[in-house]
Amino acid sequence: QSVLTQPPSASGTPGQRVTISCSGSSSNIGSNYVSWYRQLPGTAPKLLIYRNNQRPSGVPDRLSGSKSGTSTSLAISGLRSEDEADYYCATWDDTLGGVIFGGGTKLTVL
Amino acid sequence: QVQLVQSGAEVKKPGASVKVSCKASGYTFTDYDIIWVRQATGQGLEWMGWMNSKSGNTVDAQKFQGRVTMTRDTSKSTAYMDLSSLRSEDTAVYYCARAVDNSGWYDYWGQGTLVTVSS
Repeated sequence: QSVLTQPPSASGTPGQRVTISCSGSSSNIGSNYVSWYRQLPGTAPKLLIYRNNQRPSGVPDRLSGSKSGTSTSLAISGLRSEDEADYYCATWDDTLGGVIFGGGTKLTVL
Repeated sequence: QVQLVQSGAEVKKPGASVKVSCKASGYTFTDYDIIWVRQATGQGLEWMGWMNSKSGNTVDAQKFQGRVTMTRDTSKSTAYMDLSSLRSEDTAVYYCARAVDNSGWYDYWGQGTLVTVSS
């Protein structure tokens, strides 16, 4: 069971906006930057968001990250079939002294 | 272009050790740290530790302290992760990634190395 809590699943139809949440505590999300990753089956994770809301080059602006207190979320607008994947949040935990990942959310595009 | 290329799949017996390599190219190896993450089949991502590529200093996840050793050979731009006292629960895909900072910001990843622990 991860220190960062994500819903195990989420879904939406093409064109919709979906949000994936990630909840933590003051020792992790509350005091450190958050990153988000997308992972397709059989492949390595891919960075989507860093420092809470920054997108690397090549990541479309229909993906956005936000943070408030000890929670963070990833929003995907204009949902596409290729968005179907597993999504993970990650941050440093001051108590554990290492990086922690959320348990992951499987996004299904209906 | 930046690439991290990992060594091939391994099959090990319980109690043995495994050493996975991660060869970097396309950037100055010592300018970025390397981290290791593993993923058991059907499970989530698990952070194992972080190595400063310049100094060789490491931070290990509490779960792996005493069993994991991260090293590097700067002349080969290669990082290594050694996991000892293997058990069946260590069967997983092991990834290396380039760390931009210590917050979990990893911009390039290796392709993964499957380690199977079986008697």
